[in-house]
Amino acid sequence: SQTIHQWPATLVQPVGSPLSLECTVEGTSNPNLYWYRQAAGRGLQLLFYSVGIGQISSEVPQNLSASRPQDRQFILSSKKLLLSDSGFYLCAWMGRRVNNEQFFGPGTRLTVL
Amino acid sequence: AQSVAQPEDQVNVAEGNPLTVKCTYSVSGNPYLFWYVQYPNRGLQFLLKYITGDNLVKGSYGFEAEFNKSQTSFHLKKPSALVSDSALYFCAVFSGGSYIPTFGRGTSLIVHP
Repeated sequence: SQTIHQWPATLVQPVGSPLSLECTVEGTSNPNLYWYRQAAGRGLQLLFYSVGIGQISSEVPQNLSASRPQDRQFILSSKKLLLSDSGFYLCAWMGRRVNNEQFFGPGTRLTVL
Repeated sequence: AQSVAQPEDQVNVAEGNPLTVKCTYSVSGNPYLFWYVQYPNRGLQFLLKYITGDNLVKGSYGFEAEFNKSQTSFHLKKPSALVSDSALYFCAVFSGGSYIPTFGRGTSLIVHP
């Protein structure tokens, strides 16, 4: 069966510090991968998606970046965090058929102080 | 372009009563429709989907949804609500050939004992 992992679960970082969040998927190959941010427990904002290794599409211009160094690994990074980067970050994967549902990781709660 | 509307920020229902969470959509072409549930500080969990076929779709935890093409709606329903159903519910839509879903803003369901 497929599983998706995210770490860390919670993170408190000062403004201006770097960020690295990691997401890995097990039990599937060549998945589509997604990073979302959820603010205030409500709507999802798509940040990045990837259809393959090294292929990253950005949906929202900001100080975040993403990388996919391996087929089932997706990393969200920042060189300098802003207060507005605080939120709940969710990674998700989807199989290759376009009508598949997404499977979400447990999330990372990021607080920037 | 595709869009999803969840017109209610919050739905309140008494335990044992039927519940409905509303969703309307707009897409070019045939819609692929999904419902997800999110419990506090957790990732989203897939509930059910409509791709084609029977307009009434049954999913996890006793939930069902009815696809109505003329009204472009995909309302989530359950005949008898449980307190444990209290959570945030998201409707999502794909259009054909897209790997990027559009999510609604979410509806908070509160089931009172």
